[in-house]
Amino acid sequence: QKEVEQNSGPLSVPEGAIASLNCTYSDRGSQSFFWYRQYSGKSPELIMSIYSNGDKEDGRFTAQLNKASQYVSLLIRDSQPSDSATYLCAVEGSARQLTFGSGTQLTVLP
Amino acid sequence: DAGVTQSPTHLIKTRGQQVTLRCSPKSGHDTVSWYQQALGQGPQFIFQYYEEEERQRGNFPDRFSGHQFPNYSSELNVNALLLGDSALYLCASSLRSGPTDTQYFGPGTRLTVL
Repeated sequence: QKEVEQNSGPLSVPEGAIASLNCTYSDRGSQSFFWYRQYSGKSPELIMSIYSNGDKEDGRFTAQLNKASQYVSLLIRDSQPSDSATYLCAVEGSARQLTFGSGTQLTVLP
Repeated sequence: DAGVTQSPTHLIKTRGQQVTLRCSPKSGHDTVSWYQQALGQGPQFIFQYYEEEERQRGNFPDRFSGHQFPNYSSELNVNALLLGDSALYLCASSLRSGPTDTQYFGPGTRLTVL
């Protein structure tokens, strides 16, 4: 069973702080990794994708990938109340299906 | 540029009934994947359609079936509904010829089984 595990949360950070979200995966052959944001009652929205070891930055978001450790993370700098949502880590399988973690609920406190 | 659309938005059925959910992919996409998301959980992969064929299937019973049409739109059918089928059903579209299948989700269909 190929699994994706996320830090369970919920996670609360004050406005302006850095939020750190973590994810580990079991399939060593995985090559593509995604972070989705899901607001309550809405569908997942893609915010970051990462394929190579190292960091990838997009605005206030930085994704980090370490394939040797089978670890993916998402950092949100200068967190805003509008960042409050559930963040889903997804790993692409060999047949291009996505396996999701159960999500980490983030609350940014004003 | 139209995104992924799904219909209906909400649906209420009773146990034993059958339901059909519909999805139109994002313009330019040719692959449709279906996911089931129970409350408080991440989406679970049901199956994926490309070139009108089911290409990959997750751990779901045969009561779940699907179809893809020549215009790339897709349907998800669930027979003999159970209470446990109550969930948000998500359709995601992607372009298979790309190096990876970046999937974009539609708004979902909320199914309630009574």
